[in-house]
Amino acid sequence: RKEVEQDPGPFNVPEGATVAFNCTYSNSASQSFFWYRQDCRKEPKLLMSVYSSGNEDGRFTAQLNRASQYISLLIRDSKLSDSATYLCVVSYNTDKLIFGTGTRLQVFP
Amino acid sequence: DTEVTQTPKHLVMGMTNKKSLKCEQHMGHRAMYWYKQKAKKPPELMFVYSYEKLSINESVPSRFSPECPNSSLLNLHLHALQPEDSALYLCASTGASTEAFFGQGTRLTVV
Repeated sequence: RKEVEQDPGPFNVPEGATVAFNCTYSNSASQSFFWYRQDCRKEPKLLMSVYSSGNEDGRFTAQLNRASQYISLLIRDSKLSDSATYLCVVSYNTDKLIFGTGTRLQVFP
Repeated sequence: DTEVTQTPKHLVMGMTNKKSLKCEQHMGHRAMYWYKQKAKKPPELMFVYSYEKLSINESVPSRFSPECPNSSLLNLHLHALQPEDSALYLCASTGASTEAFFGQGTRLTVV
């Protein structure tokens, strides 16, 4: 079993749709959680950190459930420019950053 | 300045060559990372340096040799690579918050 797993995708959604991605992690000692987005042939870029209380940044909402070892990302009012691969990242032992398998999102007109 | 700079952007090398990838950050970050990414796969952790000391080696073959000359620089020395080592090599750094900033990567082709 992989340390960090995500919905395989791809998710194909129309503009304006709401879409949710899930991520589960196996190590209960995990300390920090992030969502990154990666465009084709580019480097990953930080989208948002994920906090226990949940956090929102514009159209994006992230949630963490430590008991279930589960992280989610909700995107509201999808834009064409949201098309990318979304990567869940989990950190433990401070220095070890592990990427999830990634979920590809394609937003169509 | 939230930038991580990697050179070169592209590299083609033969299986008998020796080459080096370079990474630089000036954010005062204490940890630097090398990741390898194959097409349609997530980045895989290779090495982590913390305070200029190697803290994690994810069982990477010895044909990959990391070096951290100082707190701003990270190198990856390559020798006798195989075609299956062709990939995007990403450097990242983290500070106290553990939010990682990535360089644009070096796209390596081994022929």
